[in-house]
Amino acid sequence: NAGVTQTPKFQVLKTGQSMTLQCAQDMNHEYMSWYRQDPGMGLRLIHYSVGAGITDQGEVPNGYNVSRSTTEDFPLRLLSAAPSQTSVYFCASHRRGRYEQYFGPGTRLTVT
Amino acid sequence: GQQVMQIPQYQHVQEGEDFTTYCNSSTTLSNIQWYKQRPGGHPVFLIQLVKSGEVKKQKRLTFQFGEAKKNSSLHITATQTTDVGTYFCAGPDGATNKLIFGTGTLLAVQP
Repeated sequence: NAGVTQTPKFQVLKTGQSMTLQCAQDMNHEYMSWYRQDPGMGLRLIHYSVGAGITDQGEVPNGYNVSRSTTEDFPLRLLSAAPSQTSVYFCASHRRGRYEQYFGPGTRLTVT
Repeated sequence: GQQVMQIPQYQHVQEGEDFTTYCNSSTTLSNIQWYKQRPGGHPVFLIQLVKSGEVKKQKRLTFQFGEAKKNSSLHITATQTTDVGTYFCAGPDGATNKLIFGTGTLLAVQP
C-alpha cells in the first residue's frame, strides 16, 4: 500500500493564479482531511470529508474548495492564490470509528 | 471554539536528559492522540488515550491522560538524537468531532 500520496511536493504560484493540490489514499478510509501548517500555529483543518460526495468546512476554509467524487481522491483547489496561503499543506485519512490519522508527505506552497 | 494548547513551544535538551510536554484542552476530551513530526516530515501517529487517568508506555515514552480528561502529557526518558522533532497532541471537538491539534512542542536534542 502506498498510503496517502500528495502531488506536487513543491509549488510556486503568483498571486491570483489557481491550482489543485492532489491527494489520494489506497486504504479505503472513509474520512479524509486537508490541513495547513504554519510556523507556531500547529495544524489547522481546512476541509474534510466523511465519504464520497460529502464534504464540510474546517477551521480555515476561505479561499479553498474541495470535492470528493471517489473514496480514494480528495483534491484541494485554490481559487485565486494569495500570499497568505503560503504554507505546507497536508492531506490525511482515517477509518470511520478510529481517530488515528494517516498523513501524506505534504505540499510546500509559496505564493508570491 | 475548543482550543488545545501545548507547553513549552520549544525545548532544547542535552542527550540523555528527560523531556516533558504538556497538553491542555479548554473542554473535556473523549480521547487524545499524540503525533510526532520529524523536521521536514509529516505527522506520524504515536498513540491514543481514552480513559481518565490512563497511562501508556512505548519504550522511553510515557503518555498520560488527566483525570478530568482535559489535559495530557508526554514524557521522554533519557532523550536521544532520534527523538528530535515536533510533538503534537490532538483531540476531537466535542460538538463537531473534528480533530483539533495542539500548537506543538519542538524538541531539539544536543549530542
